[in-house]
Amino acid sequence: QKEVEQNSGPLSVPEGAIASLNCTYSDRGSQSFFWYRQYSGKSPELIMSIYSNGDKEDGRFTAQLNKASQYVSLLIRDSQPSDSATYLCAVNANYKLSFGAGTTVTVRA
Amino acid sequence: DVKVTQSSRYLVKRTGEKVFLECVQDMDHENMFWYRQDPGLGLRLIYFSYDVKMKEKGDIPEGYSVSREKKERFSLILESASTNQTSMYLCASSTTGVGANVLTFGAGSRLTVL
Repeated sequence: QKEVEQNSGPLSVPEGAIASLNCTYSDRGSQSFFWYRQYSGKSPELIMSIYSNGDKEDGRFTAQLNKASQYVSLLIRDSQPSDSATYLCAVNANYKLSFGAGTTVTVRA
Repeated sequence: DVKVTQSSRYLVKRTGEKVFLECVQDMDHENMFWYRQDPGLGLRLIYFSYDVKMKEKGDIPEGYSVSREKKERFSLILESASTNQTSMYLCASSTTGVGANVLTFGAGSRLTVL
C-alpha cells in the first residue's frame, strides 16, 4: 500500500465551479499534512498546510483533515483557469515528507 | 528572492556513466532533499540530509549516493547510470522546526540515460 494515495484524475471543472481533491494516507501517526501545487514544467510550491482535524481556509482554498479516517482533502472554490495544475498531497511520516502521485486539475473557461 | 539552484536542467548520459547532479541553496537551510518524479508515481524521496556531512536514506536509495560537504550544497551521484534512472530529479531544502515541511524546490534536472 502506498503511503499517500490521491484520486488520479484528471479532474476537469468549469470556471467558477468547486474542484474537490482527495487524499488518503496509511501512517496513522502522521501529524502534518500539506498541499503543493505544480504547474506544468515547473516545480512544486506549497499552498496549504493543516495539522488539526477540521477545516482550514485560505482565500479560495480550503483544506480538510479527518485523522480518524486518515483523509485529507482540498477544495478550490470559484475555480479559475490559473488553478489548472497538478496538486500534490504530502504527509509527514517517519520524519520525512511523502507525496502522493498528484491530481491534475483543468479549469475550463 | 530565495533560491534552490540545480546546475543542469537537461542531461543525456549513457548506461554505465557516472553522473553528478549538483544543488545549491542560498537560504542557509539545514535540510536538503533529493526526489525523483515519474509520471503516475509522484515524488519519491531518494536521500536527505539534516546537516553537513550527514545523510539519510529515503524510500528509493538504491543506485544513488549523496554528498554534503558544505551546508549550501547537496550532490546526488549515480555511480553507474542505468536506463531506469531516466527521470526528473528535484532538489529541495527546508529549515528546521515548524518550517521543516515547507520545501523550496529547484527547477529540476531532467536526466535521460541511453
